[in-house]
Formats: sequence, C-alpha cells, structure tokens
Amino acid sequence: EAGVTQFPSHSVIEKGQTVTLRCDPISGHDNLYWYRRVMGKEIKFLLHFVKESKQDESGMPNNRFLAERTGGTYSTLKVQPAELEDSGVYFCASSPGQGGNEQYFGPGTRLTVT
Amino acid sequence: AQSVTQLDSQVPVFEEAPVELRCNYSSSVSVYLFWYVQYPNQGLQLLLKYLSGSTLVESINGFEAEFNKSQTSFHLRKPSVHISDTAEYFCAVRILSGAQKLVFGQGTRLTINP
Repeated sequence: EAGVTQFPSHSVIEKGQTVTLRCDPISGHDNLYWYRRVMGKEIKFLLHFVKESKQDESGMPNNRFLAERTGGTYSTLKVQPAELEDSGVYFCASSPGQGGNEQYFGPGTRLTVT
Repeated sequence: AQSVTQLDSQVPVFEEAPVELRCNYSSSVSVYLFWYVQYPNQGLQLLLKYLSGSTLVESINGFEAEFNKSQTSFHLRKPSVHISDTAEYFCAVRILSGAQKLVFGQGTRLTINP
C-alpha cells in the first residue's frame, strides 16, 4: 500500500509568486491534514479535511493560503502571494477515521521563499 | 487549548548509553499522546502512542514511554541507544473528541556518538 505522497519535495520561489503544493493521501483515508514547520519551530496544524469538506481550518495563517480537496481524494495547498515568512516544511497527513487513529505523514514539501 | 513542551532541543549521548527525552503537556481535557520520529531525509513516523489502558507503552525498536497523569508527562526512554536512533523526536497530543488536530512539541534532536 502506498503511503502519503507529496509534490514537489522542494520548491524555491520569489516573494510575491504563487506556489501550489499537492498531497495524495493513503487510498481510502477520509481524513486529510496539513501541517507546517517554520524555521525549526514546532510543527503546527493548518487544517483538516473530512472527505471534501473542511472540518477545521483554525490553523490557517491568513487568506493568502487556500486549501482544496476536490472529490475527497488529493488535496492542494496554494500560497498566493508568497511571503518570506511562509518558508518552511509543509507536511500532509491522512487517517482512516475517528478515535485515536494514527495520522500517517508524508515526507513534506520544503518551501523556500526568497 | 493544549500545549506540549519538550524540555531539551538537543540531546547528545554515546552509543549504548540510556536516554530519556522529556515531554510535558498542558490540557484541560483528556488527551491521547504520541511520539513521532523523523529520521534524516525522511517524513514523520509514529513511534508509539498512548490511548488508554496500561500507562507504559513500547515500540518495536526498544523505546518506551510512560503516561503520568499527575505530572502531565509522557517521557520517552531507551535503555541502550544505537547509531540508527539518530533522529528528531516529536511529542504530540490530541484531544479525545472533537478536533482531531495534533499539537506538537518543539522537537528533540537526538545525536548518538560512537
């Protein structure tokens, strides 16, 4: 069974440009999460999808970030326009259901905004 | 709101020595507890978790953690470390019902010296 995959693995863009990160969860997992780690600080929650619906988007930093999960399969996270403080590693995770189920993480996308 | 504190950002130890990585949390409601590990150039992997039952939980590679409710701690221990344990370790919590987001500590980088 394939794990959570993320694309690209690295992205370097200039301030003001747009970047779109993609996450493919484990097949059959209804829950999909986005997290971010900035500059060696703690990993912080961004948002949670249940199928195609946003269940919790309390961690989204501002309206420059837009997450979608059309059809309840893969998800995209767009940053437009990117700012220097958006640099960091963006992790995606998925889980199959309710309870204390493990969240399975992808390898992350390292975003550098110059 | 929940918070997690990992008291040590870096822990250097010699191979075959014991190690303890400390984790304390704060929450007004009951939580599930997790330790995740990130090996160099890889994504996050679940190391072990406490959901209920025995307060001592073990991983397949010799790590163990004990849930201490009175001290709100979930320290990670291993009696004898190996070079391959070199990684960054993250403690995380999740509330039992409602929001499924993980709240992470700052991470502890474990370095094993020969």
